[in-house]
Amino acid sequence: GAGVSQSPSNKVTEKGKDVELRCDPISGHTALYWYRQSLGQGLEFLIYFQGNSAPDKSGLPSDRFSAERTGGSVSTLTIQRTQQEDSAVYLCASSLAENEQFFGPGTRLTVL
Amino acid sequence: GQQLNQSPQSMFIQEGEDVSMNCTSSSIFNTWLWYKQEPGEGPVLLIALYKAGELTSNGRLTAQFGITRKDSFLNISASIPSDVGIYFCAGPRNQAGTALIFGKGTTLSVSS
Repeated sequence: GAGVSQSPSNKVTEKGKDVELRCDPISGHTALYWYRQSLGQGLEFLIYFQGNSAPDKSGLPSDRFSAERTGGSVSTLTIQRTQQEDSAVYLCASSLAENEQFFGPGTRLTVL
Repeated sequence: GQQLNQSPQSMFIQEGEDVSMNCTSSSIFNTWLWYKQEPGEGPVLLIALYKAGELTSNGRLTAQFGITRKDSFLNISASIPSDVGIYFCAGPRNQAGTALIFGKGTTLSVSS
């Protein structure tokens, strides 16, 4: 497809379980970003990948959160031992130019 | 750290009215971006501003990069029902330009 895709679109999990969220960026985009959007809030930066450089992980809220990007394309965000406060929409974006980011539709995560 | 203050928080207007919203930052920005988010979707870039004083239009939308480089404005003229959504301002999160910091959004409702 032409845009950023994310899967699953919705995920309901039990507290304490691990979850994996997937992002397929726009083909050819070298930069990939993960953000979190809690209800009624703006977007909170989580992690940034640019080419083969070391990722900027400074936005990850705890060591339960990790992300990887394989082959400079697909990225997976993993949340271990999920907590109720992790419930949010997780948005992925990709870009060529650093500031003009294109967003996917997000994954809505609900932790019961 | 950097903060973006966006106002108003919400607006309820009649179709055909003009709309104005603004965003202020605690520090100087070199770029201002305005995004729109509709329910169940990721944010979509509306306008990007790169120069202090710049005034840019995209159809009925006009945005300005404030002279002080600490504020930006978005105006929508002759609103229509499909303008409904949440409008976010955003700017570079740090000097390196890795990822964005977002305001908390202005929710626009348009009645016909």
